[in-house]
Amino acid sequence: AQSVTQPDIHITVSEGASLELRCNYSYGATPYLFWYVQSPGQGLQLLLKYFSGDTLVQGIKGFEAEFKRSQSSFNLRKPSVHWSDAAEYFCAVGASNAGNMLTFGGGTRLMVKP
Amino acid sequence: DVKVTQSSRYLVKRTGEKVFLECVQDMDHENMFWYRQDPGLGLRLIYFSYDVKMKEKGDIPEGYSVSREKKERFSLILESASTNQTSMYLCASENRGAAKNIQYFGAGTRLSVL
Repeated sequence: AQSVTQPDIHITVSEGASLELRCNYSYGATPYLFWYVQSPGQGLQLLLKYFSGDTLVQGIKGFEAEFKRSQSSFNLRKPSVHWSDAAEYFCAVGASNAGNMLTFGGGTRLMVKP
Repeated sequence: DVKVTQSSRYLVKRTGEKVFLECVQDMDHENMFWYRQDPGLGLRLIYFSYDVKMKEKGDIPEGYSVSREKKERFSLILESASTNQTSMYLCASENRGAAKNIQYFGAGTRLSVL
C-alpha cells in the first residue's frame, strides 16, 4: 500500500522568503502525485499534479514541485512567499492499481511572518 | 467550475444520535468520497462511491455508512454518534473519465459530538 510522509508539521517563514515543503512517498511504481492547499475554513484546492513526463511541474499561485524518483520525493517550492499563502498544505499520492483512491500526508501548516 | 456543496459547516450532536452529512456535486461526476480530517493525520478515506447505489469501504469505515441514491448526492451516516467521531468531514467528487485522480472538495463539515 502507498503512504505519504510530510516531515514538517509546522513551518514559519518571513514574507518574501523562499519556501520548500517536503513530501516523501512510498509506492512500488510511478505514482500520481498531488499538492493541495487548505485555507482556514475552506476545503482543499488543487495546487498542482504530476502524472508523467517533465519532473518539474508548475501550479497555481506561483508554486512548483519536483518529482525525484531516486529520493521518492515531491517537494513543493515557492520562490517568494506572500502572507496569503498561510494555510495547510497536503501532499497526496494516487496509484494506478488502487482505483481512484488517494493517500494523503499528515499536512504541513505554513505560517507567514510579516 | 466544479462545485461540491456540504449542507452544514458546523454540527453539534449528542452521543447516540443518528447523524446525516450531506454532499451534493453539480458536475455529473461518477466518483464521490467521504474523508475525515484530524490534526496530524491528514485526510483518511471513510467510504467512496463510483456509481449510484455503489459503495466501497475506505480505510476507516467502522461506525459509518453511506448512501448514494442519486448521482449528484452522497450522504454519510453516523448510525450512533460517539465522541471519537468529533472531526472535520470532507466530501469530494471526481470525474472518472478525465485526468486521473483529480478530486474536488467541499468546504467541510465540522462535527462535534458531545
